[in-house]
Amino acid sequence: NAGVTQTPKFQVLKTGQSMTLQCAQDMNHEYMSWYRQDPGMGLRLIHYSVGAGITDQGEVPNGYNVSRSTTEDFPLRLLSAAPSQTSVYFCASSQTGVSNQPQHFGDGTRLSIL
Amino acid sequence: AQSVTQLDSHVSVSEGTPVLLRCNYSSSYSPSLFWYVQHPNKGLQLLLKYTSAATLVKGINGFEAEFKKSETSFHLTKPSAHMSDAAEYFCAVTVRNQGGKLIFGQGTELSVKP
Repeated sequence: NAGVTQTPKFQVLKTGQSMTLQCAQDMNHEYMSWYRQDPGMGLRLIHYSVGAGITDQGEVPNGYNVSRSTTEDFPLRLLSAAPSQTSVYFCASSQTGVSNQPQHFGDGTRLSIL
Repeated sequence: AQSVTQLDSHVSVSEGTPVLLRCNYSSSYSPSLFWYVQHPNKGLQLLLKYTSAATLVKGINGFEAEFKKSETSFHLTKPSAHMSDAAEYFCAVTVRNQGGKLIFGQGTELSVKP
């Protein structure tokens, strides 16, 4: 049972480069989200989606784009990477967007911007 | 607005002694609260959740937490620490009427000494 799969696990970019972080889940979950984790700050929500074709901004959306063309996939795009985007990125999913349902997390993508 | 404060950034215990990780929350309504654990280079794993049922919640690996509305607290405890409990722990609250959005605390790193 794969759960939430994130690729790549590690990535180094140069300032100004673009890339896409991939996230896929095989649990038929409607709700998916992206967080970034920085030391001493916990996890902060970047973007989220309540279903295919529907996305919305979280707490720290600037510099990131998302789309949700299928239930399974929720990629995160960095259009022009900046050193401030060096972080660990986590994708999560839950069955629906109901507040009492726990979220399932991937193992993260560790991204460094030089 | 909802918020979460984890009162200790680092807790150190000896193996076999009790564990107490403290979490206070702020919410204008009855919240859903979660504790997650993160082992090195891994994603977050759900330990337990409170969703307005029993105030004493039992989770995996012998952990439990008590919801105290009068103190706005949701502290995590375990009677006897094991070496494998060494990890980072996150308390989180969901945002009302905004589905699965999670607000995380800053995290508490638990060290367990032999």
